[in-house]
Amino acid sequence: EIVLTQSPGTLSLSPGERATLSCRASQSVNNNYLVWYQQKPGQAPRLLVFRASIRATGIPDRFSGSGSGTDFTLTIGRLEPEDFAVYYCQEHGSSSWTFGQGTKVEIK
Amino acid sequence: QVQLQESGPGLVKPSETLSLTCTVSGGSVNNYYWGWIRQPPGKGLEWIGHIYYSGNTNYNPSLKSRVTISVDTSKNQLSLKLSSMTAADTAVYYCARWNEGMDYWGQGTLVTVSS
Repeated sequence: EIVLTQSPGTLSLSPGERATLSCRASQSVNNNYLVWYQQKPGQAPRLLVFRASIRATGIPDRFSGSGSGTDFTLTIGRLEPEDFAVYYCQEHGSSSWTFGQGTKVEIK
Repeated sequence: QVQLQESGPGLVKPSETLSLTCTVSGGSVNNYYWGWIRQPPGKGLEWIGHIYYSGNTNYNPSLKSRVTISVDTSKNQLSLKLSSMTAADTAVYYCARWNEGMDYWGQGTLVTVSS
């Protein structure tokens, strides 16, 4: 079973700043089958990026995913007020589609 | 617009079996994977398992002995059964459609395990 470790646990930034979130896998993720989600309080998660770098439908281009193998990154180019939330990565290259523990992006 | 709605008991007694249903509207269960995910209060997401519309399943190894996921294509529904419930199973339970990622989610249903 692949373990995903997200860092940092919490990111304190101001609107307009750039956010860089990391997701590291315990072993290589097949075919870069790595997904990112955003979750706001009281809401279901929202799909942001799939296959490590492809934005889902309707996702603003300030969100970008990159990486391969065991190291993946979600970058938010310039934080908007609505971007402050918790972000999760998930892999589906193995039979167990595990999630990372999440990174909270909070207003500084 | 695809919509998913979880339904089931909000309160389950310890040792009992949880049964949840997810009704899909605005689209068909056919040709997709469907998943169940849970989130304990204040904690992160946990993948429970997923099923292809044809019935093939994969489960979280830590839950595998207690979980059954099924799909009813005639009713456009999927279901989750989780046996031997304990307080550690208290969580919001979500169903979701898999399409290169979980692209449609239900609103989630809170299940509390308590006597």
